[in-house]
Amino acid sequence: EVVLTQSPGTLSLSPGERATLSCRASQTITRSYLAWYQQKPGQAPRLLIYGASTRATGTPDRFHGSEFGTDFTLTITRLEPEDFAVYYCQQYGSSVFTFGPGTNVDVK
Amino acid sequence: QVQLQESGPGLVMPSETLSLTCTVSGTSIYDSYWSYIRQPPGKGLEWIGYVYYTGSTKYNPSFEGRVAISMDTSKNQFSLKLSSVTATDTAVYYCARGGVYFDNWGQGTLVTVSS
Repeated sequence: EVVLTQSPGTLSLSPGERATLSCRASQTITRSYLAWYQQKPGQAPRLLIYGASTRATGTPDRFHGSEFGTDFTLTITRLEPEDFAVYYCQQYGSSVFTFGPGTNVDVK
Repeated sequence: QVQLQESGPGLVMPSETLSLTCTVSGTSIYDSYWSYIRQPPGKGLEWIGYVYYTGSTKYNPSFEGRVAISMDTSKNQFSLKLSSVTATDTAVYYCARGGVYFDNWGQGTLVTVSS
């Protein structure tokens, strides 16, 4: 099973700042099969990115996904008030799909 | 607009079977794979498994032996059954579209396992 580790656990930033979230896989993920989700309290997760860097329909262009080996990054170039939430990465390159533990982006 | 809605009991007794149904609207259930994912209170997400209209299924081995996901194409619905539940199965259960990543989700339903 591929284990995903996300860091930091909590990221405290102000609106307008840049957010950089990390997701590290315990082994190589086939064909960049990694997705990112945003979850707000009391809501279902929302798909932001798939294929490591492809924005899902409706994802604003301030969200960027990238990868380097087993390290994946979600960057939010300028935080908007609605971006404060928990972010999960998820891999689908192995037979068992797994999620990371999440990064909470909160208001500083 | 694709919409998914979970339904089922919010309370299940230990050792019994948890049963949920997801009703899909805005698209045909033939068009995709359909999954269940759960989230224990205050914790992260866990993929349970998926079903395709052909009847093909795939499950997380963590649930193997006590999970079944099926589909009723005539009602545009798919269902989850999880047997022999314990308190650790208490979670918000989501249905979602997709067999690899998940681009549409239901609102989720809290299922509590307790006597």
